[in-house]
Amino acid sequence: EVQLLESGGGLVQPGGSLRLSCAASGFTFSSYAMSWVRQAPGKGLEWVSAISGSGGSTYYADSVKGRFTISRDNSKNTLYLQMNSLRAEDTAVYYCAKDGIVLVVYAWYNYFDYWGQGTLVTVSS
Amino acid sequence: DIQMTQSPSSLSASVGDRVTITCRASQSISSYLNWYQQKPGKAPKLLIYAASSLQSGVPSRFSGSGSGTDFTLTISSLQPEDFATYYCQQSYSTPPGFGQGTKLEIK
Repeated sequence: EVQLLESGGGLVQPGGSLRLSCAASGFTFSSYAMSWVRQAPGKGLEWVSAISGSGGSTYYADSVKGRFTISRDNSKNTLYLQMNSLRAEDTAVYYCAKDGIVLVVYAWYNYFDYWGQGTLVTVSS
Repeated sequence: DIQMTQSPSSLSASVGDRVTITCRASQSISSYLNWYQQKPGKAPKLLIYAASSLQSGVPSRFSGSGSGTDFTLTISSLQPEDFATYYCQQSYSTPPGFGQGTKLEIK
């Protein structure tokens, strides 16, 4: 059974830093890209960042580029999100998500097939 | 970035109703469209991928269609557990954006 368990959320002051972790189990972690998706209170879903299975490629939303860093430790089956220079607008539940991929009629399709339960990050003075 | 727009933003329906939610992309995304269901306080759940493929374990009353810029999610006969918020998401390009959501409420 695939399980994703986030941790590291909490209350932080504007300008502060926080590191989120996502412990994965039930699948070959290093074979799959992983993503972070956030949801501000009462709002919709916003993709934040993604990392390839090897960790060699990373991607960021413009809203967090230069402030957040995604990484992974495949020996520990763990995904990370280092968040620096935090702003009030970064307040959200942060979900880690496994990137699924499937071949359908000669084309590869991606989707988020498993999600963690989320961890709340609150940026406030 | 590709913008995803869902309609309606909210919808009231009764158990047994047939419901359709629409998602429109700002440019063609072929069939690179996924649908998720989210219940309050819970993580999203994948329902449909590649526009029309049903994720394993999802009831067959859910179906997806469309390609290019216009897509639909249909629930053929609403069940009490289907009242939730639904999101579309494009996987054609980075960033993989989501629609703003459609909240399905009990009439």
